[in-house]
Amino acid sequence: DTEVTQTPKHLVMGMTNKKSLKCEQHMGHRAMYWYKQKAKKPPELMFVYSYEKLSINESVPSRFSPECPNSSLLNLHLHALQPEDSALYLCASSYPGSSYGYTFGSGTRLTVV
Amino acid sequence: GQQVMQIPQYQHVQEGEDFTTYCNSSTTLSNIQWYKQRPGGHPVFLIQLVKSGEVKKQKRLTFQFGEAKKNSSLHITATQTTDVGTYFCAGEDNAGNMLTFGGGTRLMVKP
Repeated sequence: DTEVTQTPKHLVMGMTNKKSLKCEQHMGHRAMYWYKQKAKKPPELMFVYSYEKLSINESVPSRFSPECPNSSLLNLHLHALQPEDSALYLCASSYPGSSYGYTFGSGTRLTVV
Repeated sequence: GQQVMQIPQYQHVQEGEDFTTYCNSSTTLSNIQWYKQRPGGHPVFLIQLVKSGEVKKQKRLTFQFGEAKKNSSLHITATQTTDVGTYFCAGEDNAGNMLTFGGGTRLMVKP
């Protein structure tokens, strides 16, 4: 299995809602990432988990809360988001030191209304 | 923090013409990676360059890493309509745990 699976593919949520994005990989990768991508912009790093421990948090607001339950799963919990948080949220994984780069999921397109 | 700049932002070419995108980092990189993102899609890994001065080829694509490990280029020979998309370079820091993307070059190919 050489895929990163993200669910849901599309999500519309109100500013008072709580929702979660899910990401799963079965490639044995030990690093997992959340990126945010706005239209016509590059992906921006949000969080890095390395061996299931949060190693990087790029000054992301607390309304985004990551969780890594095990080496195959990564969640992003969303609460009290703003319309400007609407974007494509990409999960990626990699094996540290590998020369095969990051494998990205197809993303969750989030709209906050 | 680490910054990665990429030019040009956009490039329109006639099918069959060549295309080059350039990438420059503010800091020395551990490695540089290249990704392609089709419209409506997600980034797909193309290649990783690690060594100073390294050159790698994939069919019509040629990738170079500068001697100082701060710049890189991607050259496509004889573009095809299937090459359409945004090409991103991404630099990994020396700690090896943070990949920073350049702004991307959007390639459009006229048949």
